[in-house]
Amino acid sequence: EPEVTQTPSHQVTQMGQEVILRCVPISNHLYFYWYRQILGQKVEFLVSFYNNEISEKSEIFDDQFSVERPDGSNFTLKIRSTKLEDSAMYFCASSGNPNRSPSPYEQYFGPGTRLTVT
Amino acid sequence: AQKVTQAQTEISVVEKEDVTLDCVYETRDTTYYLFWYKQPPSGELVFLIRRNSFDEQNEISGRYSWNFQKSTSSFNFTITASQVVDSAVYFCALSTSGGYQKVTFGTGTKLQVIP
Repeated sequence: EPEVTQTPSHQVTQMGQEVILRCVPISNHLYFYWYRQILGQKVEFLVSFYNNEISEKSEIFDDQFSVERPDGSNFTLKIRSTKLEDSAMYFCASSGNPNRSPSPYEQYFGPGTRLTVT
Repeated sequence: AQKVTQAQTEISVVEKEDVTLDCVYETRDTTYYLFWYKQPPSGELVFLIRRNSFDEQNEISGRYSWNFQKSTSSFNFTITASQVVDSAVYFCALSTSGGYQKVTFGTGTKLQVIP
């Protein structure tokens, strides 16, 4: 069964450093997302990406965040200058190819990257 | 704006008991999609079910069943004969526009099944 993969599984960084979280969406999907889950809290939407541009972003997704699809397979989230409050689990998701399986309406989530900012 | 409310923060049941997790949603869209995800202690999100707003039929999958009622904007999840492996956080979620839009999650219900 196709799946979304994310690397690394755990990233530890110092405050102020830049981090890049990587995701490989399901190959025939067209829509890509990042979500964040602070420990013990709910999963929150950060950004959606379609046709090489951001289609929607939340208030959380401020200027320190950026997303990119540098090639045909990877989808990255960059945090330019990490803060302590950026410590969270970051989930990548993908969805949408109406002409192909799996279901186009379901967002498939990756296993997450746990980011720890010290 | 859309919102998902899971009023139950934590539930504990003894193994083999049935348990229902409540979910109430709000949206102005007439077409929307409801989901349940399971998050075990390992942290990943496991997809359980998706329902669209036009399909109010209840669904059963093994020990799991879902009760969708548009009249009360609820999408409740029942686990029959609970098992220790069911211990996890369960999230109800909502999306509009065919799932191509963001998914809005509830705050989750932590289920502990005691052996």
